[in-house]
Amino acid sequence: EVQLVESGGGLVQPGGSLRLSCVASGFTFSTYRMNWVRQAPGKGLEWVSYITTGSDDIQYADSVKGRFTISRDNAQNSVFLQMNSLRDEDTAVYYCARDSSGTYSYHAFDIWGHGTLVTVSS
Amino acid sequence: EVILTQSPATLSLSPGQGVSLSCRASQSVGSYLHWYQQKPGQAPRLLIYDASNRATGVPARFSGSGSGTDFFLTISRLEPEDFAVYYCQHRAVWPLTFGQGTKVEI
Repeated sequence: EVQLVESGGGLVQPGGSLRLSCVASGFTFSTYRMNWVRQAPGKGLEWVSYITTGSDDIQYADSVKGRFTISRDNAQNSVFLQMNSLRDEDTAVYYCARDSSGTYSYHAFDIWGHGTLVTVSS
Repeated sequence: EVILTQSPATLSLSPGQGVSLSCRASQSVGSYLHWYQQKPGQAPRLLIYDASNRATGVPARFSGSGSGTDFFLTISRLEPEDFAVYYCQHRAVWPLTFGQGTKVEI
């Protein structure tokens, strides 16, 4: 079964850090680009970050640039999101999402994890 | 940044009715526009990619159209499982952005 499973969410104080992980199974992870997308409680979807298969092209939303870092380990079938200097407005469910690239289209997210909740609060 | 504006915010409809959801881009995105469905407590699901192509397993009652700045997701006859929130998303330039969503409710 094709699957993405996120972990690492939790409660953190403003200014703190958190590292999210997403483990893939059921497909050849190393051949797919990956993304993080978040959703604040009761709000819409916001794309956060993107990484290519070889980590040679990385993109961020302006709202997280300079604070968040995406990375991947193809040997571990995992993608990560290091989040520093967290703010109240970073509170959201964070989804990792597979970029369908050649399957459908670039930057169409065809497989999603269940999400992990990050709460930034004092 | 490309701003995607979806309208209306909420639609109240009955099973069996047809509906067209609108997504308007602040600048041309060509045909680089995708549509997703999200039900409560679930992750989004890809429905349509590149404006008019159905993803695998998506029922034929879902169709997408448009190009440039104006796009539509049409559901020909609503089934009970279609009541959800629908989002559009472009892939034309960085950053990728989503519309704010249209809720289709009973």
